[in-house]
Amino acid sequence: SQKIEQNSEALNIQEGKTATLTCNYTNYSPAYLQWYRQDPGRGPVFLLLIRENEKEKRKERLKVTFDTTLKQSLFHITASQPADSATYLCALEDSSASKIIFGSGTRLSIRP
Amino acid sequence: DTGVSQNPRHKITKRGQNVTFRCDPISEHNRLYWYRQTLGQGPEFLTYFQNEAQLEKSRLLSDRFSAERPKGSFSTLEIQRTEQGDSAMYLCASSPTGGIHYEQYFGPGTRLTVT
Repeated sequence: SQKIEQNSEALNIQEGKTATLTCNYTNYSPAYLQWYRQDPGRGPVFLLLIRENEKEKRKERLKVTFDTTLKQSLFHITASQPADSATYLCALEDSSASKIIFGSGTRLSIRP
Repeated sequence: DTGVSQNPRHKITKRGQNVTFRCDPISEHNRLYWYRQTLGQGPEFLTYFQNEAQLEKSRLLSDRFSAERPKGSFSTLEIQRTEQGDSAMYLCASSPTGGIHYEQYFGPGTRLTVT
């Protein structure tokens, strides 16, 4: 079955540095992949979608890469700020294209 | 506020009772999704609707769970004979119609506690 892996350990970064989060997947080649942000007690918020034919996508301080050979997506936040502290979820369409499945998320903490 | 709304925000119930949650999606969105999320995990897909048609239902969903979207607008999720394992955050999301499951807009969730 399809599996998504995100680093379950929290990532602690000094303010101003670049945070890099990893999403690995197995057993399928999705046509696209999405990243969401979730704050405690709230629903996820969509950030970026990248398609299989796109190697990289940017939005302000965010950058996502999609390597279909490695079956991996990297999510970067440059010039990180304490307000970027949250859990970041990777999501992709499952093999039947009938739904989205989410990874378990990586908690990011940016310290001043 | 034109975002996705969910009611109630919190629900505490005793084991064996039935509960019903409501979701109002963004008005122009035809797709509506229900997810369940437990602490430390990502949202787990339960079901989704295209207008009033329920097109997909997770095999994880037992017969105690049922969802409806009678007029293609709001949706309800009912859990019958609740169990302690049903305690979780129940999230609703909507998205516009498209060939793929585009970016989803989530509501604030309903936190269910079964005692």
